[in-house]
Amino acid sequence: ILNVEQSPQSLHVQEGDSTNFTCSFPSSNFYALHWYRWETAKSPEALFVMTLNGDEKKKGRISATLNTKEGYSYLYIKGSQPEDSATYLCALPTGTASKLTFGTGTRLQVTL
Amino acid sequence: GAGVSQSPSNKVTEKGKDVELRCDPISGHTALYWYRQSLGQGLEFLIYFQGNSAPDKSGLPSDRFSAERTGGSVSTLTIQRTQQEDSAVYLCASSRRWGVRFDEQYFGPGTRLTVT
Repeated sequence: ILNVEQSPQSLHVQEGDSTNFTCSFPSSNFYALHWYRWETAKSPEALFVMTLNGDEKKKGRISATLNTKEGYSYLYIKGSQPEDSATYLCALPTGTASKLTFGTGTRLQVTL
Repeated sequence: GAGVSQSPSNKVTEKGKDVELRCDPISGHTALYWYRQSLGQGLEFLIYFQGNSAPDKSGLPSDRFSAERTGGSVSTLTIQRTQQEDSAVYLCASSRRWGVRFDEQYFGPGTRLTVT
């Protein structure tokens, strides 16, 4: 069973703060890592798919890095806004079906 | 274009009743996945379809759960004799190709099932 861990479990920041969270995974047999944002009552939205060690990806104020040798990925949000409030999930595809094994998520709350 | 849709969005049912949850994937997507999130738990895999066949049913929690997919499109997840532990958000996702680990999975908004 693939163990994907995320920390912290929850985070409460003020508007304008920058923040980051961690996804940890076994470094052996790594293929890809997916980051999702899941807002309440909406569909989980894909942010990034990362495949190569040292990958850095950016979408607006959100960026992510990947270290496959040590088994972690960081997600950064610069200048948090209330609309960034969501649960951020990382997931690794496993098996021939590429079914996703998810971490338990980091719940971010951004207040004014 | 149209995303993944699911119906109903909310379902409240009495213990022991059967329920059907529907998923309409993105047109042309070969792979379809069902996941669920129970209270206090992470998202967990239930079943996967490649076209109309389900080569991986390893996540189905009991034989009360079944799923089918017809015409390579719509999928239905059926839960028979529902129990309170079946209460969860059931999510469907589709991806363009099966077995490609870097292909994005596009999720629907989910069905929130409450068993009373």
